[in-house]
Amino acid sequence: DVKVTQSSRYLVKRTGEKVFLECVQDMDHENMFWYRQDPGLGLRLIYFSYDVKMKEKGDIPEGYSVSREKKERFSLILESASTNQTSMYLCASSPGGRPYEKLFFGSGTQLSVL
Amino acid sequence: QQPVQSPQAVILREGEDAVINCSSSKALYSVHWYRQKHGEAPVFLMILLKGGEQKGHEKISASFNEKKQQSSLYLTASQLSYSGTYFCGTDNTGTASKLTFGTGTRLQVTL
Repeated sequence: DVKVTQSSRYLVKRTGEKVFLECVQDMDHENMFWYRQDPGLGLRLIYFSYDVKMKEKGDIPEGYSVSREKKERFSLILESASTNQTSMYLCASSPGGRPYEKLFFGSGTQLSVL
Repeated sequence: QQPVQSPQAVILREGEDAVINCSSSKALYSVHWYRQKHGEAPVFLMILLKGGEQKGHEKISASFNEKKQQSSLYLTASQLSYSGTYFCGTDNTGTASKLTFGTGTRLQVTL
């Protein structure tokens, strides 16, 4: 089974801190995604990557950046954390190369910015 | 723009049926359904492609009406294990690389 691992289940940071959320997948998937999940708003795409060093903005990229230096690892970076970035962050991956594929999600990181 | 899911929440007794709807304002190439149990990662249920194709997964099936830009998820003879939040993800590009998810439908199945 595909495993998507997020480094932290819970994270507490202070306003203005630089925050790194890490995600690793073990199935050699091409595509990786970062979503945030908020009550009443569902899942919203922040960034995705379809290859190493490639990235594309999702629907809500403001305040975030990403890094993909290796195929298996996709990092989400909050340059200067703010309280409105308190949320559940979900990483996902998919094989790539075919038009219709399912996503494999990690268990999420609950980030609290104080 | 996010697809609209309805209802927002539903409570069922075990064995009852439910329908969850997903409606988009944009033309759709495919619709993807996921279920998330409390505290867990969302899990893929099924993908529906253009053509009104109906797919099934256990006692869960779905339809896709591309003209109406709508999909419906049918849960028959619900089980306790069906409880969770159901999300539809819509693909407007034909590549499924950028799904737009709805706000979710919370389903609770009780004894």
